Amino acid sequence: SQQGEEDPQALSIQEGENATMNCSYKTSINNLQWYRQNSGRGLVHLILIRSNEREKHSGRLRVTLDTSKKSSSLLITASRAADTASYFCATDAEFGTSYGKLTFGQGTILTVHP
Amino acid sequence: DGGITQSPKYLFRKEGQNVTLSCEQNLNHDAMYWYRQDPGQGLRLIYYSQIVNDFQKGDIAEGYSVSREKKESFPLTVTSAQKNPTAFYLCASSVPGQGPNEKLFFGSGTQLSVL
Repeated sequence: SQQGEEDPQALSIQEGENATMNCSYKTSINNLQWYRQNSGRGLVHLILIRSNEREKHSGRLRVTLDTSKKSSSLLITASRAADTASYFCATDAEFGTSYGKLTFGQGTILTVHP
Repeated sequence: DGGITQSPKYLFRKEGQNVTLSCEQNLNHDAMYWYRQDPGQGLRLIYYSQIVNDFQKGDIAEGYSVSREKKESFPLTVTSAQKNPTAFYLCASSVPGQGPNEKLFFGSGTQLSVL
């Protein structure tokens, strides 16, 4: 079963606006990661946040993690048309059947209009 | 250039046929993975290998087989037992020294279709 669930499934914004995507998960985790996928391509790692961290920044990306709510958000500021892609969260479960493996959510499709 | 190379980019399988997807990396990564992606879906783990000559089943291993005879190579065979093989297949590896669950590097994928 999928560990991560993402919301919204699709997001359409104008260039320059901010984009926020959310990820919820079910079991305790060691870390949570966000990946980007351009259509028909492989995934590219964006950022990793550990279970003892609450917020992390990388360029125009800001990730938050709330372990009490088992949720994370990815914020892309000042979006560009080139940010158009699918974005996936992935979790590394602390224990259980998913231990030792990354489990991916179903993704958010982001479209940024010029 | 360092990276992960998957081939072929497109592959067609006939009924009852086994096909093999190639994955080669020159990143000196110990761990390698195969994921399956269906349209509009996330990735599901098929098999993974943390070291040469060892591999483990993932969540959807039935109908698939792998080998890990060399550190650089992790081929995936889709057997005739896999009744619904049409999907996008992604190979990945992870950074040495950081464990198998951090920062995966992905190949560009192979689209497998059934004739």
